[in-house]
Amino acid sequence: DVKVTQSSRYLVKRTGEKVFLECVQDMDHENMFWYRQDPGLGLRLIYFSYDVKMKEKGDIPEGYSVSREKKERFSLILESASTNQTSMYLCATQSSENIQYFGAGTRLSVL
Amino acid sequence: QKEVEQNSGPLSVPEGAIASLNCTYSDRVSQSFFWYRQYSGKSPELIMSIYSNGDKEDGRFTAQLNKASQYVSLLIRDSQPSDSATYLCAPSSGNTPLVFGKGTRLSVIA
Repeated sequence: DVKVTQSSRYLVKRTGEKVFLECVQDMDHENMFWYRQDPGLGLRLIYFSYDVKMKEKGDIPEGYSVSREKKERFSLILESASTNQTSMYLCATQSSENIQYFGAGTRLSVL
Repeated sequence: QKEVEQNSGPLSVPEGAIASLNCTYSDRVSQSFFWYRQYSGKSPELIMSIYSNGDKEDGRFTAQLNKASQYVSLLIRDSQPSDSATYLCAPSSGNTPLVFGKGTRLSVIA
């Protein structure tokens, strides 16, 4: 079974804090993704990576950065958290058959 | 811009009925099609994939694909209250990120 683990289920941070969301997968997939999901807006792609040290901007990269130092780990960074970044964040990997597998999600609240 | 359109719902069906969920997509080169189910507060999970025109059945679920019409659907037979969830459609064209529809919320009434 594919396992995608996100470090936190719930997180509360203050405006201006630097926030790290970690994602680890155990299936040796090349491709990893970060999404945010808000009511009525669906899944929106923030960043993705097809290889170690490689990153590509998705549809809404502003205010975020990512790091992929190892194949199994893909981190999302909020450099200076703002209230409009309160959301559910989902990490996913993608198999060679283009099937995406999601982590449990991190519900982030920025106060 | 690749677009995936789904009726947001809610689609309400009585228990035991057939639920029909529809999806249209704009990218003509899409080759693989996925249906994900997402329960409230949970992450999406894959329930069906289809790669060629026609029907594909898996238990109570049937996926239907018509590439000429750029249309894919999901039928759920003998709907159960446990099927109440949001269903996301996701076409795929090669090694590019999936484009997800916003989902259709299904409510099965006991």
